[in-house]
Amino acid sequence: EAHLVESGGGLVQPGGSLRLSCEGSGFTFSSHWMTWVRQAPGKGLEWVANIRQDGSDNYYVDSVKGRFTISRDNAKNSLYLQMNSLRAEDTAVYYCARDGSSWLWYFDLWGRGTLVTVSS
Amino acid sequence: QSALTQPASVSGSPGQSITISCTATSSDVGSYNLVSWYQQHPGKAPKLIIHEVSKRPSGVSNRFSGSKSGDTASLTISGLQAEDEADYYCCSYAGSNTFHVVFGGGTRVTV
Repeated sequence: EAHLVESGGGLVQPGGSLRLSCEGSGFTFSSHWMTWVRQAPGKGLEWVANIRQDGSDNYYVDSVKGRFTISRDNAKNSLYLQMNSLRAEDTAVYYCARDGSSWLWYFDLWGRGTLVTVSS
Repeated sequence: QSALTQPASVSGSPGQSITISCTATSSDVGSYNLVSWYQQHPGKAPKLIIHEVSKRPSGVSNRFSGSKSGDTASLTISGLQAEDEADYYCCSYAGSNTFHVVFGGGTRVTV
């Protein structure tokens, strides 16, 4: 059975950094675009970033451009999100999600999420 | 402000049918048949229930159906059940200018 498990969340001060990880299992990780989606407390879903199968292409929501970096290590079946210059508005549960099919932009497998809290 | 507008809440009685609308406020978003829908129960991860406007993944109840007309996509839940009480989000590709994805603000369904 396919699974995604996120880790790395926690409490960080404004301006600080955090690196999230997501490990996939039960499917061919290297065959899928991968995506980060976040959800602020009591709010809706927000697409954050995605990355092509080989890591050669990636896209970001405007609010995180220049601060967040998405990457992957297919040998470790892992996806990452390096978050720098964190702001209070980045506080959210961050979900790792698998793209169901290239260029069709839907997410058929989700992790349980990891909570990032940005506060002094 | 999201490029996809959903009603904040929809309610129905058990056995009834309800429809949730998702209207694109950007012409780029409305041009693509790449709309998906997600169900999220409190404290849980989202679950894909519809992709590419009307396709249902394996294992998803056929009580869920999707459609699109012009700039508005719709999710219909027929034979409403207590377990359908959840938040529902539409999602769409936002176009090749950005290669972004946008979510609607979400709709709380109360049974």
